[in-house]
Amino acid sequence: AQKITQTQPGMFVQEKEAVTLDCTYDTSDPSYGLFWYKQPSSGEMIFLIYQGSYDQQNATEGRYSLNFQKARKSANLVISASQLGDSAMYFCAMRELIRTGANSKLTFGKGITLSVRP
Amino acid sequence: GAGVSQSPSNKVTEKGKDVELRCDPISGHTALYWYRQSLGQGLEFLIYFQGNSAPDKSGLPSDRFSAERTGGSVSTLTIQRTQQEDSAVYLCASSLASGGGGNYGYTFGSGTRLTVV
Repeated sequence: AQKITQTQPGMFVQEKEAVTLDCTYDTSDPSYGLFWYKQPSSGEMIFLIYQGSYDQQNATEGRYSLNFQKARKSANLVISASQLGDSAMYFCAMRELIRTGANSKLTFGKGITLSVRP
Repeated sequence: GAGVSQSPSNKVTEKGKDVELRCDPISGHTALYWYRQSLGQGLEFLIYFQGNSAPDKSGLPSDRFSAERTGGSVSTLTIQRTQQEDSAVYLCASSLASGGGGNYGYTFGSGTRLTVV
């Protein structure tokens, strides 16, 4: 069964500093995809970054990077040079890729709240 | 449309009434998903459509919940005899494909906030 774990309490970071948001996962599927989404107070879900389990390099998208440690089953999100607009809830999610249909849903963690201080 | 459209954006209903929530996905997106998010919680999967069929209904919490999709496009989530615990934000998402590899991430709608009083 898929499982995503996000156990950090609310996180605080000073503006312009870097922050790491933790995510661990558990799956028996050898091929999977990992996603991070941002949910500001407005409620919209914004896709940030994707990492495939067979990708050789860690994914990067602008100020976002994913610290993917396959053996440890962790997929931590790193936000560099934090901005006030980064204050939001962040969700890690996973999809098993080998199978289609019923297994293509994304399973989400419970999320981490990030607050950026000026 | 350009994005995933959900209506209504807010719905207040009395306990015991039926409600219908609508999702209009991005044109051409074959996969459609419904999730539920309770206050301060993560996203709970409800149901997944591939075209008009629903290969995975495993997340529907009770037989009061049902969903359909017609023409491979618009989907309606129906909750019968609503209860207070049904109060949540109901999010719809669509994607180009399901499984098979690749970054087939979701595009989410803005959600319907359902309040059962």
